[in-house]
Amino acid sequence: GAGVSQSPSNKVTEKGKDVELRCDPISGHTALYWYRQSLGQGLEFLIYFQGNSAPDKSGLPSDRFSAERTGGSVSTLTIQRTQQEDSAVYLCASSLYGPSQTSTDTQYFGPGTRLTVL
Amino acid sequence: AQTVTQSQPEMSVQEAETVTLSCTYDTSESDYYLFWYKQPPSRQMILVIRQEAYKQQNATENRFSVNFQKAAKSFSLKISDSQLGDAAMYFCAYRSGSAGNKLTFGGGTRVLVKP
Repeated sequence: GAGVSQSPSNKVTEKGKDVELRCDPISGHTALYWYRQSLGQGLEFLIYFQGNSAPDKSGLPSDRFSAERTGGSVSTLTIQRTQQEDSAVYLCASSLYGPSQTSTDTQYFGPGTRLTVL
Repeated sequence: AQTVTQSQPEMSVQEAETVTLSCTYDTSESDYYLFWYKQPPSRQMILVIRQEAYKQQNATENRFSVNFQKAAKSFSLKISDSQLGDAAMYFCAYRSGSAGNKLTFGGGTRVLVKP
C-alpha cells in the first residue's frame, strides 16, 4: 500500500477484556515499531521488530502487552485484561532498514488506533 | 537514558509570519539523529525535517529549517511564511546512532496559525 495502515481506527472495550490492534507496514519495509500516545505519558516506545531478529520489547509496560509480526509484514499488538490506564492512541511505524543503515532510516507512521477502556 | 524537552506547550503565529519552536535534549552519545514530526488532527505523524548530529550544516526543507546547536544540545525548528495548514502538534524526537532504532519524543508544541 501507499502508507502504513492500522485497524481499527477506534476501539472501545470494557475493563478486563482483551484487544488486538493491527498494523500493515509499507510494503518492503523490514522494520516495524509500536508507540503509545497518552495524555499522561506522552509518546512512548513500546516494541520494535527488525527482520528475523528477536524483537526489542524494552518499552512494553507490563506482561499484559505482547506483539507479534507474522511473515515479516503485518503486526498485531495484543493487550490482555485491559485497564483504564491503557486508554491511549497506539501508533505503528515502519522503516525501510534497521539500525544497520541508520543514515537512511526514516520512520513512517500510520494514523493510529484510539483505544478507550471503560 | 536520553530525554527530549519541549518547553513551549503552545505557540501562536500570524499567517505569513515566522515561528520558532524550541527543543533541548540530553545525551552522552556523539552519534545520533534528531527529527521534527508534525501531527495534524488526523493523528498521522509526518516527518518535517531531520538532522544528523555529525553534520554541522543546519537542515532545511522548504519553509522549515532548524538551528542545531550540538554543544548546547538544542534543536529548534523555524517555520517561515506560516500557512493555515501548518497548524498541528509538533514533536521533536531523538534517535541513537548506535543503541537501537527507537525514537524518544518530546512532549510536543501545539502551533496555532491565525488568519
